[in-house]
Amino acid sequence: QKEVEQNSGPLSVPEGAIASLNCTYSDRVSQSFFWYRQYSGKSPELIMSIYSNGDKEDGRFTAQLNKASQYVSLLIRDSQPSDSATYLCAVNEDKIIFGKGTRLHILP
Amino acid sequence: DGGITQSPKYLFRKEGQNVTLSCEQNLNHDAMYWYRQDPGQGLRLIYYSQIVNDFQKGDIAEGYSVSREKKESFPLTVTSAQKNPTAFYLCASSPRDNSYEQYFGPGTRLTVT
Repeated sequence: QKEVEQNSGPLSVPEGAIASLNCTYSDRVSQSFFWYRQYSGKSPELIMSIYSNGDKEDGRFTAQLNKASQYVSLLIRDSQPSDSATYLCAVNEDKIIFGKGTRLHILP
Repeated sequence: DGGITQSPKYLFRKEGQNVTLSCEQNLNHDAMYWYRQDPGQGLRLIYYSQIVNDFQKGDIAEGYSVSREKKESFPLTVTSAQKNPTAFYLCASSPRDNSYEQYFGPGTRLTVT
C-alpha cells in the first residue's frame, strides 16, 4: 500500500518564526511532489511543486526534497497568522496520493 | 478568468435521491478528477478522466458515476447506492496526466438526510 505520511498536528509556531512541515512517502520511483494549503471549509490551493532533489524557494516558502530518504518538507519563513491552515503533501506515484495534512497554527 | 467552477456550493438532498454535482474548467486541461473529503480525513479519489469519453475508477467509486462528454466538463452523480454521501466534494484538473500538479475548484458540500 503506497502511502504519504504527515504528522496531523496541530503544529503551533510563534508569529515571525519558521514553520517546518514534513512528509514521508513510500514509493522510491515518485517523481513529482506538491504542497497544498487548505483553509478550513475551503478547497486546497497549490503553493509549491518540486521535482528534483534539493531546495526550491518561492517567497517565504521553501520546499526541500530528499529522494534517497524519501521525504519532502515545507519551510515557511516569517510565519504570519494568515498561514494558519492545513498543509497537504501530495506525491505522484502511478497517481497522485495526498497525505492527510498537518494543521498549522501561528500564534500571534 | 481561468479556473474551475463547481456548483452549487451547498446541496441538500433526501436519502434515496440521485444528485449530480457540476464541474467545469476553462484551463484547457486534459485531466479531471473527483475527490471526497470527510472531516479529519484526507482526500479520497472517486473517479478520474485523462481524455474525453474515457474515465477510470478511483479508490472509492462505488455508488458514484461520471461522464466526460466534453473536455471542459466532468459531472459527478451521487447515486442512492452510495451509503454515506454526506461529504465535501472536490473537483480538480491537471494539464495532462498524474505527473502534473492538480488545481482544485471551490468544492460542493453535500448533505443527505
